[in-house]
Amino acid sequence: DTGVSQDPRHKITKRGQNVTFRCDPISEHNRLYWYRQTLGQGPEFLTYFQNEAQLEKSRLLSDRFSAERPKGSFSTLEIQRTEQGDSAMYLCASSLAQGSLNEKLFFGSGTQLSVL
Amino acid sequence: AQKITQTQPGMFVQEKEAVTLDCTYDTSDPSYGLFWYKQPSSGEMIFLIYQGSYDQQNATEGRYSLNFQKARKSANLVISASQLGDSAMYFCAMRRNAGNNRKLIWGLGTSLAVNP
Repeated sequence: DTGVSQDPRHKITKRGQNVTFRCDPISEHNRLYWYRQTLGQGPEFLTYFQNEAQLEKSRLLSDRFSAERPKGSFSTLEIQRTEQGDSAMYLCASSLAQGSLNEKLFFGSGTQLSVL
Repeated sequence: AQKITQTQPGMFVQEKEAVTLDCTYDTSDPSYGLFWYKQPSSGEMIFLIYQGSYDQQNATEGRYSLNFQKARKSANLVISASQLGDSAMYFCAMRRNAGNNRKLIWGLGTSLAVNP
């Protein structure tokens, strides 16, 4: 039973470059989430998908950020024209949508982005 | 506005002893869910325990229990018989029951160190 996997684990890039991260959720999970976590903080919600539909997007997500989940399986998060403030851990989580409030998320180990 | 407060940046506990990690929350919604997650140094968030706002009894999951005091808006995590592997960051989080909201709101976390 494989968990949520994220690739790459670490990414170092120069300011202004574009980066793309990939998340492979647990295979039977239909919901997929992206969160961002900076040092000393809790995660901040970015967006989520139910199957291939992007149902909610945070106002934190500027137009430089885009996420896709084309076939309702893996997802990509792209950041264009990276800025130093984008440096953070990007966490992906998946879940099997059943209940409402008690939905439990399964997280990957994250992608640590450093923008120089 | 919804908010989670964790006032203990760091805690120490002796192996085999119990420890309580504090969490208070702020919401005007009558229905909400509260979660605790553990984040070891590997980075992935691991679900520990859930408490619904209408649950009559405090939640328990093995060595984890949640001391839920609704009137005080607190949801403290109790870890009994601490083990060295419990050393990690612990995050309290809340989900509102509002429409299609799926977002978790997180606290800043508490770093727990278990001493041998």
